[in-house]
Amino acid sequence: SSGLTQDPEVAVALGQTVKITCQGDILRLSHASWYQQRPGRAPVVVILDDSKRPAGIPSRVSGSRLGDTASLTITAAQAEDEADYYCHCRDTSDHLLVFGPGTRVTVL
Amino acid sequence: QVQLQQWGAGLLKPSETLSLTCAVSGGSFSGYVWSWIRQPPGKGLEWIGEVHQGGVTNYNPSLKSRVSISIDTSQNHFSLKLNSVSAADTAVYYCARYYDYWSGPFDTWGQGSLVIVSS
Repeated sequence: SSGLTQDPEVAVALGQTVKITCQGDILRLSHASWYQQRPGRAPVVVILDDSKRPAGIPSRVSGSRLGDTASLTITAAQAEDEADYYCHCRDTSDHLLVFGPGTRVTVL
Repeated sequence: QVQLQQWGAGLLKPSETLSLTCAVSGGSFSGYVWSWIRQPPGKGLEWIGEVHQGGVTNYNPSLKSRVSISIDTSQNHFSLKLNSVSAADTAVYYCARYYDYWSGPFDTWGQGSLVIVSS
C-alpha cells in the first residue's frame, strides 16, 4: 500500500483560515476522512466521505478531495482547533487502511 | 450510543505476547468492521488490523507475522494479540469501529490502553 503525506505542522492566527492537505495516489480512488486528536485523547472524526461533517462538528470545518489530494479547511480558527489532524482512507488495491503522518495545527 | 471498553495487560517484557480485548455495548455488533490502531509516544496513528463479523481479517503488512485479531459475536467483543513484543511496540492501543468497509470512518473509539514493553 502506498502512503499518504501531510505537512508536519502549520500555524494559524486566531480567527484566520488554515488549510491542511493530504496527498497520495490511493486518494484517487478512495474517500478520505479526517481526525482531530487533542493531547491525551482518542482521535475524533471531523470529516468523512471527503466533505461530510458528523453531528457536532462546526460548519467552519470543511473538507474536499480532488485527484490525489484531500484537504481540510478550518475557517475562523479558534483556540480549541489546536490539535493534531490525521487524514485516512482505505487503499482500494489491497484493502489496507492507511493514516497520514499527521499535521500539528498551532493557533497563535 | 455505541461504546467501546477495552482492557488488557499494560506492562510486558520483551518477547511476551500483548493481549487486549474490546467490548462493544449500546449498539449493534453486526454489519461493521472492528479495528485496532496504535500510537507510539509522540508519534502518529498506525493501523494494526481489522476483523469483520464473519471473522475475516486484514492486517498491516508490517505487523502481519506477529498479529492476530479475533471476534466473539456471542460476547460482543473482539481481541488483539501481538506476539514477540519489543520496546518498539510500546504505544497507546485503541480499538475502534469502522462504520463502512470502503469509506469508514472510525466513528467510535475505545478509551485507549497504554502498553509498555520493558525488561
